[in-house]
Amino acid sequence: DQQVKQNSPSLSVQEGRISILNCDYTNSMFDYFLWYKKYPAEGPTFLISISSIKDKNEDGRFTVFLNKSAKHLSLHIVPSQPGDSAVYFCAAKNNAGNMLTFGGGTRLMVKP
Amino acid sequence: GAGVSQSPSNKVTEKGKDVELRCDPISGHTALYWYRQSLGQGLEFLIYFQGNSAPDKSGLPSDRFSAERTGGSVSTLTIQRTQQEDSAVYLCASSLVWTGVITGELFFGEGSRLTVL
Repeated sequence: DQQVKQNSPSLSVQEGRISILNCDYTNSMFDYFLWYKKYPAEGPTFLISISSIKDKNEDGRFTVFLNKSAKHLSLHIVPSQPGDSAVYFCAAKNNAGNMLTFGGGTRLMVKP
Repeated sequence: GAGVSQSPSNKVTEKGKDVELRCDPISGHTALYWYRQSLGQGLEFLIYFQGNSAPDKSGLPSDRFSAERTGGSVSTLTIQRTQQEDSAVYLCASSLVWTGVITGELFFGEGSRLTVL
């Protein structure tokens, strides 16, 4: 049973436009959500996070939105740049544990 | 080094052989995690260490998989009698306990790519 799902395996966006990556979860015990970015042949790197007590967190071109009632979060990148092309993983932590549960990832391609 | 170090970066082995994968976490990070990513799949949790103990082994896929950590630092993931379905990138991550508990941020190594022929 996948507790964290990213239903779009890939997304293609034109440079300068907005990229929206989506993530759904099922476990209501999740209290912290993170996005990681992964380039080929590298480990994932932390991008941005949000606590369950908030509905929005912004860091430069990256904004994460959390809709707890819908158990849905999204990552907005604006404006998108070719260097943003990577696989993006959504992850969640529950309030009782230390591990992160990851989604399957979405490959973002930003075209020049 | 400053980051999480994993070795080997690539390992090709024959079915039935044993393999050992090594992880050297960031100095001072007491929590250590093993994940794997199979082709086209997401990150699958395997095991978590707090110091030298493993409070959560729930992700190990079979009894052919084992892991240990010594001195609160280096960890070794061992896969016995490897099978083709074990082929994946094995990722190690570490975190400060406090950071890991509150924010969940993990610092990943570059991974060890295992190919079982």
